Amino acid sequence: RKEVEQDPGPFNVPEGATVAFNCTYSNSASQSFFWYRQDCRKEPKLLMSVYSSGNEDGRFTAQLNRASQYISLLIRDSKLSDSATYLCVVPDTGGFKTIFGAGTRLFVKA
Amino acid sequence: ETGVTQTPRHLVMGMTNKKSLKCEQHLGHNAMYWYKQSAKKPLELMFVYSLEERVENNSVPSRFSPECPNSSHLFLHLHTLQPEDSALYLCASSQELTGGLGSGANVLTFGAGSRLTVL
Repeated sequence: RKEVEQDPGPFNVPEGATVAFNCTYSNSASQSFFWYRQDCRKEPKLLMSVYSSGNEDGRFTAQLNRASQYISLLIRDSKLSDSATYLCVVPDTGGFKTIFGAGTRLFVKA
Repeated sequence: ETGVTQTPRHLVMGMTNKKSLKCEQHLGHNAMYWYKQSAKKPLELMFVYSLEERVENNSVPSRFSPECPNSSHLFLHLHTLQPEDSALYLCASSQELTGGLGSGANVLTFGAGSRLTVL
């Protein structure tokens, strides 16, 4: 099993739609999780941190399911500007390596 | 300047050339990192420095040589690269090497990257 696994997509959704991505991780001891956003040919930028059961920031909601070892990202009322690759990120519990998923591509269309 | 800046943004080099990538962070962070991002692959950690000391060399070929002269600057020296080394090289920094739960100290801030093409 990969350390961090994401559905690569792409997800093609119309504006205003709700879309959800899942990310599974292999290390049951992991405590903190992050979602990063990466626009085409740009650097990754932090979108949300998830430390407990979940986190919400405007249209974005991240949820953590420790029993099943997955985190999800829900985007409500999708905007054209949400088109990007969303990276699931899990810091290594034993040290300082941060494990990145391969990313899920989202295209929001008018 | 704020954040993490990388130069050059684009670099084309031959296999026999020697070049360097530069990274500078203005965030007062103590840890700096080099990542490699190839098409359709996850980010790969290459090197980690904490307070100017290298703490991780993730089985990177010796044709890549990092240098960290101080906590604000990080270099990646390139020598006799191969075409498969063509990729986006991302520098990142974090406040600390590791972070307590919820502290955010290990959150990475990335530079814009240096896109390298090896001919």
